[in-house]
Amino acid sequence: QITLNESGPTLVKPTQTVTLTCTFSGFSLNTHGVGVGWIRQPPGKALEWLTLIFWDDHKRYSPSLESRLAITKDTSKNQVVLTMSNMDPVDTATYYCTRYRIVSSSTEKFDHWGQGSLVTVSS
Amino acid sequence: DIQMTQSPSSLSASVGDRVTITCQANQDISKSLNWYQQKPGKAPRLLISGASILETGVPSRFSGSGSGTDFTFSISSLQPEDIATYYCQLYDNFPTFGQGTRLEIK
Repeated sequence: QITLNESGPTLVKPTQTVTLTCTFSGFSLNTHGVGVGWIRQPPGKALEWLTLIFWDDHKRYSPSLESRLAITKDTSKNQVVLTMSNMDPVDTATYYCTRYRIVSSSTEKFDHWGQGSLVTVSS
Repeated sequence: DIQMTQSPSSLSASVGDRVTITCQANQDISKSLNWYQQKPGKAPRLLISGASILETGVPSRFSGSGSGTDFTFSISSLQPEDIATYYCQLYDNFPTFGQGTRLEIK
């Protein structure tokens, strides 16, 4: 059974850096074609992809947020860590950790999701 | 960057109705499109990948079609438990989600 769980602060102040941890089980981030990603969703709004890290340590970032994001993995602990700097109230959102699979040259997907972690940015 | 247009933004239908949602890309993305269902207060769930491949455990009333720039998601006979917001998502250089379609029961 595949599970992903997000953890981190629920409240951060503007300009601070937030660190969110995804702890997963049921799969390995050493497996070819597997990645872990972060997606966020402001209250009442659409999903927004943030970043991905792959089995080979390749990383991808949303172009609009790349300067503020960093993603790392610790395969021995089955964890992926997201840091996001210079937080602003518009960054208030539920942050989801997801498994990403590259199945073929034409099929890639977010196939398992954590329950999400609400981060509120307020002074 | 490839842009996605998902429509409609909201939809009201009766139990038993056929429901259709569309996503249009501004460039050819072949079949690189997925569909997700998100129920209120829950994480999204992957329903369809590769434009038309039904994920394991997803009821057969859900289907997807299309390739290139135009894609369709359908529910053949709407059930009360299908009330949710549905998102398309393309993958090219990076993943991009549509704006969502909120589905309500009439």
